[in-house]
Amino acid sequence: DAKTTQPNSMESNEEEPVHLPCNHSTISGTDYIHWYRQLPSQGPEYVIHGLTSNVNNRMASLAIAEDRKSSTLILHRATLRDAAVYYCILRDVNDDKIIFGKGTRLHILP
Amino acid sequence: GAGVSQSPSNKVTEKGKDVELRCDPISGHTALYWYRQSLGQGLEFLIYFQGNSAPDKSGLPSDRFSAERTGGSVSTLTIQRTQQEDSAVYLCASSFLRRRTAEAFFGQGTRLTVV
Repeated sequence: DAKTTQPNSMESNEEEPVHLPCNHSTISGTDYIHWYRQLPSQGPEYVIHGLTSNVNNRMASLAIAEDRKSSTLILHRATLRDAAVYYCILRDVNDDKIIFGKGTRLHILP
Repeated sequence: GAGVSQSPSNKVTEKGKDVELRCDPISGHTALYWYRQSLGQGLEFLIYFQGNSAPDKSGLPSDRFSAERTGGSVSTLTIQRTQQEDSAVYLCASSFLRRRTAEAFFGQGTRLTVV
C-alpha cells in the first residue's frame, strides 16, 4: 500500500535546479511529509519535512500544494554529490513507523 | 556527538548458522528502527522499538528473525538458521520519539552475505 508515488528516475544537469515531485493523494490531516535521500553505499539521510507551509533549509526547499495532495523537493543548484535515491515519506504524527517507498533515483550530468 | 553505530560492518556466514547484528543508537534517542535492503532494492521495514518495547513486529520476514533492545539503548537483530535470501544490508536508525516528526538518523549498515 504505497502512500506516495514518485517517478522511478530523473536526470538533471549539474549546477541547475532540480524539482523532484511526489504525489500523496490520500494524505491525512495528521500526516507530515518527509524527504530522505540515500547516497551510494550509505544509509539514508534526512533532507527536510513539512506539514502545510513551504519549508526551506540549507539542503533544499519543500513546496507543498495547497490541497496537500502533492509536494515537490527542490534542490536549488544540483551538484554531482546530489546523485542519490530520494524518498518521499508520509509520517503520521500518531504513528512512529517510517515506511520507505521505492523513491526516485536522481542522476546528475556533469 | 557520535552517530548511529552498527557492527559488524560486514559479515559472511555459512548457510544454517545464526548471526547477531548490533546497533548502538544515538544517546537519548528513544525510537530505534531496523530495515533490510537487498541489492538494488528499497528499504524493507523490519521492526521498531519505543524504548525497550516493540509495538510493531509485522515486518519481520519469518520466525527466524528476532530483535531485542535492552536499557533503552543497544539493539540486537538475530537471524537464526540463515538462508541465502537473507543476504542484504541491514540498516538501523534512531530518533528522538518525543518529537514525533523528528528525523531519523541511520547507521552505515551491516552487509550480510550468506554462502
